[in-house]
Amino acid sequence: DTEVTQTPKHLVMGMTNKKSLKCEQHMGHRAMYWYKQKAKKPPELMFVYSYEKLSINESVPSRFSPECPNSSLLNLHLHALQPEDSALYLCASSQAPGYEQYFGPGTRLTVT
Amino acid sequence: RKEVEQDPGPFNVPEGATVAFNCTYSNSASQSFFWYRQDCRKEPKLLMSVYSSGNEDGRFTAQLNRASQYISLLIRDSKLSDSATYLCAVNGLYGDMRFGAGTRLTVKP
Repeated sequence: DTEVTQTPKHLVMGMTNKKSLKCEQHMGHRAMYWYKQKAKKPPELMFVYSYEKLSINESVPSRFSPECPNSSLLNLHLHALQPEDSALYLCASSQAPGYEQYFGPGTRLTVT
Repeated sequence: RKEVEQDPGPFNVPEGATVAFNCTYSNSASQSFFWYRQDCRKEPKLLMSVYSSGNEDGRFTAQLNRASQYISLLIRDSKLSDSATYLCAVNGLYGDMRFGAGTRLTVKP
């Protein structure tokens, strides 16, 4: 069963708030990813975790802070976001880097 | 130049039609290739991996041409349920996957 879960489904936050997005997979995958997707655009890679270590940071602003507590969990901590950060945030996982990635349903974030 | 370029679409086709999407990529070191399908306000779902030898899954056929750096997806006998955005994806060795802009397909009765 290829399933990646994400919580919350929707999030509205002010520019001074701190919030966290959560992602979980139970497929034994060793790579996990965060993507950002704006309307009518493709997903854009933000971070890659490989074997629980951050291996790629696509020059994402420091107001986004990823964390990988264990091989099944991936969090994205948010602080002092801007309205232009409003987007769909997608988590994905794969057996290892380079393999096909499976996406969670996403968190739709609105920054007010 | 974009890393992954994809037919802009949209494609509007009648049921039963055959439709083809193409995608070119710029990084010759790319390792793996995929087609994803994304429905409105949903996550991308893996449709097919793309292999050098070509691969087929029912009505869907994917091809990879490494020399010319392009991948293609052919959908035969289109169904209404095939209406979606189709995204090609090109993956590096470290999981640094890049998506094409996506092509919107609408299949009409």
